[in-house]
Amino acid sequence: DTGVSQDPRHKITKRGQNVTFRCDPISEHNRLYWYRQTLGQGPEFLTYFQNEAQLEKSRLLSDRFSAERPKGSFSTLEIQRTEQGDSAMYLCASSLTSFQETQYFGPGTRLLVL
Amino acid sequence: AQSVTQPDIHITVSEGASLELRCNYSYGATPYLFWYVQSPGQGLQLLLKYFSGDTLVQGIKGFEAEFKRSQSSFNLRKPSVHWSDAAEYFCAVGSTNAGGTSYGKLTFGQGTILTVHP
Repeated sequence: DTGVSQDPRHKITKRGQNVTFRCDPISEHNRLYWYRQTLGQGPEFLTYFQNEAQLEKSRLLSDRFSAERPKGSFSTLEIQRTEQGDSAMYLCASSLTSFQETQYFGPGTRLLVL
Repeated sequence: AQSVTQPDIHITVSEGASLELRCNYSYGATPYLFWYVQSPGQGLQLLLKYFSGDTLVQGIKGFEAEFKRSQSSFNLRKPSVHWSDAAEYFCAVGSTNAGGTSYGKLTFGQGTILTVHP
């Protein structure tokens, strides 16, 4: 069990560019979540997958955001035409479907849009 | 809609002193409750969780939390704080589906920053 990993850990980009983040969950976990955390706030839910199916998306996830989990293992989160307001920490978590589901978080990807 | 309130944005305690971090939730059914800790630049680490049963739950690093349904609270406590406990602490409530199984998103409070003085 190596934990949830995220890549890159830091990303600086210019406004209008596209960025893609990757999340590798704990190997046997079938659920994967994306959250966004801005300075001074708690994480906010963006979306989640059960295996390869995207089951819920937050209203925070605008049309510029897309997430995939094509083979039910790793996931990518892409932001198109980045805006300064997209600057945040993007956190990934994974879990096993169970009666007492517990999410385990990765270290996050910090995005700065200039 | 569910929500979590952490009334204290910043708490300062002396090393060795006791600690209580407050958390109030709003949720229609029996809540599933969590406390996470986040050190600077790091992800979230689970401290403890409550699903059912004993309302006093023990976690890692000597932390405990008590679920009080009448007060809609899930306060985190530690009898003696260590300098390494300085971090940001988040309370969260989990969702359930119609069958009562935990699923989906966590709703977090805005966090409490803990500073520990030597």
